[in-house]
Amino acid sequence: DTEVTQTPKHLVMGMTNKKSLKCEQHMGHRAMYWYKQKAKKPPELMFVYSYEKLSINESVPSRFSPECPNSSLLNLHLHALQPEDSALYLCASSQDVVLAGGQETQYFGPGTRLLVL
Amino acid sequence: QKEVEQNSGPLSVPEGAIASLNCTYSDRVSQSFFWYRQYSGKSPELIMSIYSNGDKEDGRFTAQLNKASQYVSLLIRDSQPSDSATYLCAVRRGGSYIPTFGRGTSLIVHP
Repeated sequence: DTEVTQTPKHLVMGMTNKKSLKCEQHMGHRAMYWYKQKAKKPPELMFVYSYEKLSINESVPSRFSPECPNSSLLNLHLHALQPEDSALYLCASSQDVVLAGGQETQYFGPGTRLLVL
Repeated sequence: QKEVEQNSGPLSVPEGAIASLNCTYSDRVSQSFFWYRQYSGKSPELIMSIYSNGDKEDGRFTAQLNKASQYVSLLIRDSQPSDSATYLCAVRRGGSYIPTFGRGTSLIVHP
């Protein structure tokens, strides 16, 4: 099973709201990622968790707060977002360690379409 | 700076033709190369990965890698309208599990 699930599929929120995006995988992967993707642009890396510890934060504003409660779950907490934060938010996972030959693969979830009003 | 370059397109081909998508990269220590297909409004879906120089075939898809020239390509034979999508090239350097994505090439297959 190579499935990464994300909820909700769509989210509309006001600039004063607090909401959370959720991601789950049961492939035993130890690296999990949050990406932001705007229309006609490639995915833009936001955060990486490796073995449940935050290993990369790509200078993301503090209104985005990631959390990794366990090895299967990844959350992204949203607070006081701006309209320009409207985008497709993608979760991905991979084995994490560089295996022989480097043949581990990153799998994406279906994404959450976020609209900030 | 690590860069992955793709022509944004759109690349338009007739149904049944071969679509050729190209990607160049600047980081010489790149070891792993991926092609993702992304339909509008959907998430990227891995369709091919390649790690060694030469060709790798999977059904109608063939990935070609030339590390000396620092390019990787994707050929789609017998193109179908359902292949119309954006194709993202992703490159990962040795020792890293974080890929760098290109901007993607939009492919349109017209009947």
